[in-house]
Amino acid sequence: DTAVSQTPKYLVTQMGNDKSIKCEQNLGHDTMYWYKQDSKKFLKIMFSYNNKELIINETVPNRFSPKSPDKAHLNLHINSLELGDSAVYFCASSASLGTGIGNTIYFGEGSWLTVV
Amino acid sequence: DQQVKQNSPSLSVQEGRISILNCDYTNSMFDYFLWYKKYPAEGPTFLISISSIKDKNEDGRFTVFLNKSAKHLSLHIVPSQPGDSAVYFCAASANTGGFKTIFGAGTRLFVKA
Repeated sequence: DTAVSQTPKYLVTQMGNDKSIKCEQNLGHDTMYWYKQDSKKFLKIMFSYNNKELIINETVPNRFSPKSPDKAHLNLHINSLELGDSAVYFCASSASLGTGIGNTIYFGEGSWLTVV
Repeated sequence: DQQVKQNSPSLSVQEGRISILNCDYTNSMFDYFLWYKKYPAEGPTFLISISSIKDKNEDGRFTVFLNKSAKHLSLHIVPSQPGDSAVYFCAASANTGGFKTIFGAGTRLFVKA
């Protein structure tokens, strides 16, 4: 069973469109994240939620809106897509906030978004 | 501002030899450090970690060394195997500032048979 699953895996869309990426974890974790891997290959955190509450909101354009209907799901909606949004988006989860082996972050397989 | 730096984009090693991947950090508040391994078209997977109260952690062929005074950590893989060929990300986290885990840019390891 996949621990952190996200869909779609590949998405090609035109500029200006609105798209969503869905994420689900079956690990019973309290905390979920969205990371973005850009063209320079850095993995940068975008958002984190703990028990459905927003904890971290990095300097991400407000065209990006995460939604957590419950602890096991964290979806990412992107409005008015731009060419620079092309990247790989990784969903992830951890048992809870904080550091330590008990809060290791587990990643999904990634969603490859290409905006044309 | 890169708080976690992996200055070598790639590393090539012969099978059976030691692979040493390096990582430097700037934030002295980091108290937990991790290495992740990533294959193409997959998400990063956790490999090994170390708390700031230790200077070494070993798990099979993988050992992580932490030098707090130098703000430097390294991952040793010995012996290296072709299946170890992947991108390795160094990461660091702190129990302050929103509990963010910061990742380096990754080092691509090639293990030649």
